[in-house]
Amino acid sequence: AQSVAQPEDQVNVAEGNPLTVKCTYSVSGNPYLFWYVQYPNRGLQFLLKYITGDNLVKGSYGFEAEFNKSQTSFHLKKPSALVSDSALYFCAVRDRAGSARQLTFGSGTQLTVLP
Amino acid sequence: NAGVTQTPKFRVLKTGQSMTLLCAQDMNHEYMYWYRQDPGMGLRLIHYSVGEGTTAKGEVPDGYNVSRLKKQNFLLGLESAAPSQTSVYFCASSYQGQGTGELFFGEGSRLTVL
Repeated sequence: AQSVAQPEDQVNVAEGNPLTVKCTYSVSGNPYLFWYVQYPNRGLQFLLKYITGDNLVKGSYGFEAEFNKSQTSFHLKKPSALVSDSALYFCAVRDRAGSARQLTFGSGTQLTVLP
Repeated sequence: NAGVTQTPKFRVLKTGQSMTLLCAQDMNHEYMYWYRQDPGMGLRLIHYSVGEGTTAKGEVPDGYNVSRLKKQNFLLGLESAAPSQTSVYFCASSYQGQGTGELFFGEGSRLTVL
């Protein structure tokens, strides 16, 4: 079975400070990993994905994420937060070796960037 | 450049009523999905389709039916609505399957069942 955990329901950070949104996963094989962002009253938007290759993945709006196989983590990071980054962030995983052909989403982390 | 369009955006039903949510995409994507989003639970897959004329069950299919008669459209039906189906419903599409392809989401349909 595949699963993903976002241990923090809420993350607050001051504008200009670095931000981290945490994600850990569990799969039997190797993972495909994704981050999506949801702004109020909107659908989810793709930020970045890890399929294979370089463990550091760069995505939209200056976000990046690091795949850490030993810690089974895929934390989302940004060096300098903007107020406009305030949104709900979802991590998602799919086990390459598993029978499930769909993504499993985490429960989401609400990021608030304070001016 | 519409992307994924969902109609209606809001709907209030009484228990036992039926309704259909329509999803349309203009990106020629093969794969389409219906999710529901509930507070603290992330997104859960209801049904999906890997091409015109195909449908498959996701994680939470009970109480829902779907049809994909045309490649660009994916319909989600509730035959007899229940209060537990109060949720925000999202349609998504992708060029590749969910393993590697990014999903493109509609803006959601908020359904309340009284």
